Amino acid sequence: NAGVMQNPRHLVRRRGQEARLRCSPMKGHSHVYWYRQLPEEGLKFMVYLQKENIIDESGMPKERFSAEFPKEGPSILRIQQVVRGDSAAYFCASSPPDRGDYGYTFGSGTRLTVV
Amino acid sequence: KQEVTQIPAALSVPEGENLVLNCSFTDSAIYNLQWFRQDPGKGLTSLLLIQSSQREQTSGRLNASLDKSSGRSTLYIAASQPGDSATYLCAVRPMNRDDKIIFGKGTRLHILP
Repeated sequence: NAGVMQNPRHLVRRRGQEARLRCSPMKGHSHVYWYRQLPEEGLKFMVYLQKENIIDESGMPKERFSAEFPKEGPSILRIQQVVRGDSAAYFCASSPPDRGDYGYTFGSGTRLTVV
Repeated sequence: KQEVTQIPAALSVPEGENLVLNCSFTDSAIYNLQWFRQDPGKGLTSLLLIQSSQREQTSGRLNASLDKSSGRSTLYIAASQPGDSATYLCAVRPMNRDDKIIFGKGTRLHILP
C-alpha cells in the first residue's frame, strides 16, 4: 500500500501560468480532500471530492481554482493564471468510503512557488 | 461553526522533560480527533486517533486524551528528545458525515539538547 501519492513534490510557475497538482488516494479510498497551508498558517480546507463528484468546495477561491476526481486516474487541483499569493503547500488526504474507525491519511504535499 | 485552538503556539523545553500540548474545540459533536506531526517542509504524519467514544490513546511515549464534553484534548509527550522537535497539529472530524476535518494552527515544539 503506497499511501497517498502527490506529485510533483515541488512546482515552480511564473505568474500567469497554470499549475496542476495531482493526488492519488490510497487503494480502496474513494474520498479525497485538498488543503492549503500558507507560510506560518494552519491548514485550510479547500475541497472534498468523491469519484466524479464535488461534495464540498466551500474553501475554494471563487476564481482560477478548480478540482476534479475522475472515474479513472488521480484527483487534480488546477490553478489558472497563478499569482504570488498562490505560493503555498497543497496537501491531499484520502479516506475510505465508509467512515469506520479511520482517520485521514495525508500525502507529502506539493509545494508551489510562483515567481 | 467548529473552531480548533491550540495553545501554546510555540514551546521550548529542555531534553528529558515531560510536556503537554493543548487543543480545544468549540463544538463537541465530533466523530474523532486526530493528532499529527509535521516536520519543516514535510507532510503530515498521523500520531494518534481518538474516537469520540474513547478517552485516550497511547503510542510509545505519546498519550492523547479526549474530554468531548469540555471540548478539550491534550497530547502528553514523556521524556522528550531533540527528535521530537516539530509542529504538532490537532484536527477534529465533525459528526456530520460529509464534513471535513478542521485543523488548529499547531504548536511548534523545540526540544533543547
